[in-house]
Amino acid sequence: DVKVTQSSRYLVKRTGEKVFLECVQDMDHENMFWYRQDPGLGLRLIYFSYDVKMKEKGDIPEGYSVSREKKERFSLILESASTNQTSMYLCASSTIAGPQADTQYFGPGTRLTVL
Amino acid sequence: SQQGEEDPQALSIQEGENATMNCSYKTSINNLQWYRQNSGRGLVHLILIRSNEREKHSGRLRVTLDTSKKSSSLLITASRAADTASYFCATDAGDDKIIFGKGTRLHILP
Repeated sequence: DVKVTQSSRYLVKRTGEKVFLECVQDMDHENMFWYRQDPGLGLRLIYFSYDVKMKEKGDIPEGYSVSREKKERFSLILESASTNQTSMYLCASSTIAGPQADTQYFGPGTRLTVL
Repeated sequence: SQQGEEDPQALSIQEGENATMNCSYKTSINNLQWYRQNSGRGLVHLILIRSNEREKHSGRLRVTLDTSKKSSSLLITASRAADTASYFCATDAGDDKIIFGKGTRLHILP
């Protein structure tokens, strides 16, 4: 079974802090994604990565950056946290080949509160 | 850039009844997926149906796809309390990305 883990289930930070959200997958997947989920807005793609050291902006990249130094790890960074970044953050991974291609496997989510 | 839209937004049914959720989308697709999300958790993939398929089954789940109407339906038969969750459709958006709808909240009443 694919396992995607996220470093924290709940996180509380103060405005202006630098925040790191970590995601690790154990299935050697090429693609990794970061979403945020807000009531009434559904899942919105922040950033994604096709390969190590590679990143692409999603629909709402402003205020975020990412890092993928190793294939299994994809980090989301909030350079200076703001209250409007309070949200549920979901990481996912997928492979590009085989019968499971296109299917995304999600971590449990990190609920971030910025005070 | 919303592609899929689920209907209804919320649904409450008695345990044992069947639940049907619909998804409509705007542009042509290669495949459509359904995911489930239990409260406060990550999404779990349920089923993927390709554009050349019309119907697919997995246990108590039945998914149909009508590409001429740009719509899909998810049927859960003999519902159980554990089926209480939000259900999302997702369509491929090119470059290995998928776009999620806003979901249907399903509540199974005891």
